[in-house]
Amino acid sequence: DAKTTQPPSMDCAEGRAANLPCNHSTISGNEYVYWYRQIHSQGPQYIIHGLKNNETNEMASLIITEDRKSSTLILPHATLRDTAVYYCIVRAQGAQKLVFGQGTRLTINP
Amino acid sequence: DAEITQSPRHKITETGRQVTLACHQTWNHNNMFWYRQDLGHGLRLIHYSYGVQDTNKGEVSDGYSVSRSNTEDLPLTLESAASSQTSVYFCASSPDYYNEQFFGPGTRLTVL
Repeated sequence: DAKTTQPPSMDCAEGRAANLPCNHSTISGNEYVYWYRQIHSQGPQYIIHGLKNNETNEMASLIITEDRKSSTLILPHATLRDTAVYYCIVRAQGAQKLVFGQGTRLTINP
Repeated sequence: DAEITQSPRHKITETGRQVTLACHQTWNHNNMFWYRQDLGHGLRLIHYSYGVQDTNKGEVSDGYSVSRSNTEDLPLTLESAASSQTSVYFCASSPDYYNEQFFGPGTRLTVL
């Protein structure tokens, strides 16, 4: 699986959009980009995933660049409950394992 | 509602003892996983299973074993607990390819 690079920490004001970047420059054609988050002391929670098209669900939007070497997770209206560690993971087609990196610690400030 | 549970939620044991952590899911998922999480290391895969009677080693499998005798359960056994195995353990399951993994609430294990 391709390696991902994320900033170790970010801050965002409550009510604003939180944009979390992820670099995956060695991604291959059959690898998907997944995002999970982990709120303190809880198990990780799936957020969204995509291959090459932008994706949106009730939690977030995922923007993948055309060359697929980077992506951005967007939380459109961040709340205090979105404070968590966010993990960007690249997973090959057919693979079941998730390889977690260090993630980005996102703090939403009131 | 279907769910994934872990027990116990907290465990304190002594070095050298055998310990088994339970993981039970009611989604009928074929795939189940065990991770450990330590400060500075994120989540690391210990063992995983793609179905009954199937088990596979992850990146940190030494000192751990699993068995899959039914779809719902994947117990994790520490054969002889060591202080280095003090950690938070998460179990997860997923139905098939490309789908998300659902994580349990975790078990905090302390080995004295």
